[in-house]
Amino acid sequence: KNQVEQSPQSLIILEGKNCTLQCNYTVSPFSNLRWYKQDTGRGPVSLTIMTFSENTKSNGRYTATLDADTKQSSLHITASQLSDSASYICVVSAKVNAGNNRKLIWGLGTSLAVNP
Amino acid sequence: DSGVTQTPKHLITATGQRVTLRCSPRSGDLSVYWYQQSLDQGLQFLIQYYNGEERAKGNILERFSAQQFPDLHSELNLSSLELGDSALYFCASSVAPLTDNEQFFGPGTRLTVL
Repeated sequence: KNQVEQSPQSLIILEGKNCTLQCNYTVSPFSNLRWYKQDTGRGPVSLTIMTFSENTKSNGRYTATLDADTKQSSLHITASQLSDSASYICVVSAKVNAGNNRKLIWGLGTSLAVNP
Repeated sequence: DSGVTQTPKHLITATGQRVTLRCSPRSGDLSVYWYQQSLDQGLQFLIQYYNGEERAKGNILERFSAQQFPDLHSELNLSSLELGDSALYFCASSVAPLTDNEQFFGPGTRLTVL
């Protein structure tokens, strides 16, 4: 069964500190993996999209890593800011058939609170 | 601002009623997706349209239906509403039909069923 699991479920850190969020997936066949940031009550915003061949991708203070062998990804946030408080969602795209169709499997997200 | 607009922002209604949620995709995007997010739950994919045609179906209830019009805006119709339908409903759009394309999300419609 295709699944995406994220940990921790929630996290509280102090402003300026770094943190790492984890994503484990059992999705096959794999197409790509995305990290989204969702502010409370708002729509998700894409942070990174990584394909099978990409190990690391950065977007400002956000760095995502992907280990396709162990089916694990992480999102590292550097020098956190109050505005980083949000839910971070891992989404894995699975190939549906021999054609170009894909199915997105959404994780439940990690809720991050950055405190002053 | 993603360029995707959704109306209304909030909707409060009673059980058994019917409501329509509206979405306008980003300029140039032909594909529209609808998602449901219940409290403390992940996003659940409901349905996708591409250039007016249904492209993919997710966990959409039979009480729910959607369509995409020639001007590419889309509507999600929810009928015989139940308390459990209370949720945030998001619309997203992308350029092409493949779900691998980056999706841009609207601000959502918060539906409360009393």
